[in-house]
Amino acid sequence: QQQVKQSPQSLIVQKGGIPIINCAYENTAFDYFPWYQQFPGKGPALLIAIRPDVSEKKEGRFTISFNKSAKQFSLHIMDSQPGDSATYFCAAGLTGNQFYFGTGTSLTVIP
Amino acid sequence: GAGVSQSPSNKVTEKGKDVELRCDPISGHTALYWYRQSLGQGLEFLIYFQGNSAPDKSGLPSDRFSAERTGGSVSTLTIQRTQQEDSAVYLCASSTRGGRERFFGPGTRLTVL
Repeated sequence: QQQVKQSPQSLIVQKGGIPIINCAYENTAFDYFPWYQQFPGKGPALLIAIRPDVSEKKEGRFTISFNKSAKQFSLHIMDSQPGDSATYFCAAGLTGNQFYFGTGTSLTVIP
Repeated sequence: GAGVSQSPSNKVTEKGKDVELRCDPISGHTALYWYRQSLGQGLEFLIYFQGNSAPDKSGLPSDRFSAERTGGSVSTLTIQRTQQEDSAVYLCASSTRGGRERFFGPGTRLTVL
């Protein structure tokens, strides 16, 4: 059973567009929601993370929107650039060590 | 400083052979994780080490998979009698005790022919 459902599987946008990647979860015990960015041939790297007591967090061009009642969270990339082309993973974490990752979204930003 | 390193970066083996994958975590990180990334799949948790505690092996898919961590640092993931479905990228990550951020290595791409 997939603990975190991520969509879409792939996404193509024009430079300057605002891609949005969505994730949903069921377990209300999750208390940490990170997004990881992975470039080809590299391991994933933490991009931005949010806790459930806030509804939005922004770091540079990246914003997480969090809807606790709907058990959904999303990543928005403002003014997307070709260098943002990568695979993005959402995740949900429980207190302690356990993380559950989404299946990933391959983003392509066309110049 | 140095990040997480993994070796080899690529490994091609024949079905039925054993393979060993190595991970060097960030110095001082007490937690170490192994994940498997298959095409179109997310990051599948395999095993977790925290300091000297017994490892959490709940994600290992079969008894052909095992891992050890020597001296609280370097870890080796061993796959015995490899099968074609074992082909994937194996990622190692480390974190500080209690830290939520995982620092990932570049992975080992395993191909079983």
